[in-house]
Amino acid sequence: ETGVTQTPRHLVMGMTNKKSLKCEQHLGHNAMYWYKQSAKKPLELMFVYSLEERVENNSVPSRFSPECPNSSHLFLHLHTLQPEDSALYLCASSQERTGRSEQFFGPGTRLTVL
Amino acid sequence: AQSVTQLDSQVPVFEEAPVELRCNYSSSVSVYLFWYVQYPNQGLQLLLKYLSGSTLVKGINGFEAEFNKSQTSFHLRKPSVHISDTAEYFCAVSDQGGYQKVTFGTGTKLQVIP
Repeated sequence: ETGVTQTPRHLVMGMTNKKSLKCEQHLGHNAMYWYKQSAKKPLELMFVYSLEERVENNSVPSRFSPECPNSSHLFLHLHTLQPEDSALYLCASSQERTGRSEQFFGPGTRLTVL
Repeated sequence: AQSVTQLDSQVPVFEEAPVELRCNYSSSVSVYLFWYVQYPNQGLQLLLKYLSGSTLVKGINGFEAEFNKSQTSFHLRKPSVHISDTAEYFCAVSDQGGYQKVTFGTGTKLQVIP
């Protein structure tokens, strides 16, 4: 595997389910990110991890819970979601946690909440 | 804080014709600028970036962009498009100095017509 991988690619869940999204980067980067991509909206940065420490949480509802067990893996735990949470969730990584660093994105998980 | 405006949500263009995708930004400090491309069912990948130096930046797949500080613009251009350029293009900006998060525009869908 190379680059940034995400599983699953598609997920359909009910509002009472609990599921997790997984991201893995094979680039040796130090920073990882979760973004939410909805139609006709800018990418919304949800969480930033630098060296496995959460450094940013952009007012994301508590029904989204991130976890970064090591510098290569990032999870997004989901519970009691709402239909408006349906979106494409993108994981990204960068060498450094700076604004000048290029971000490498995974293909995303298409989430549908029924 | 910074913001990015991509006024054109969709741009149709015939194959082998030139194209310009517009991006304007606002920021109270100096910035780094990026263009990312997202092909269907894929994550974003970097096309080009401006960090400093020459205001004309060349990227992958024959794209280039010019940083215009006075007009706060970073328009993306290609002299002759191919069918394979059909994708969504995102402009992004981050403030210089230390860690600054990247802000993305809403995207422009480029549709290349055979």
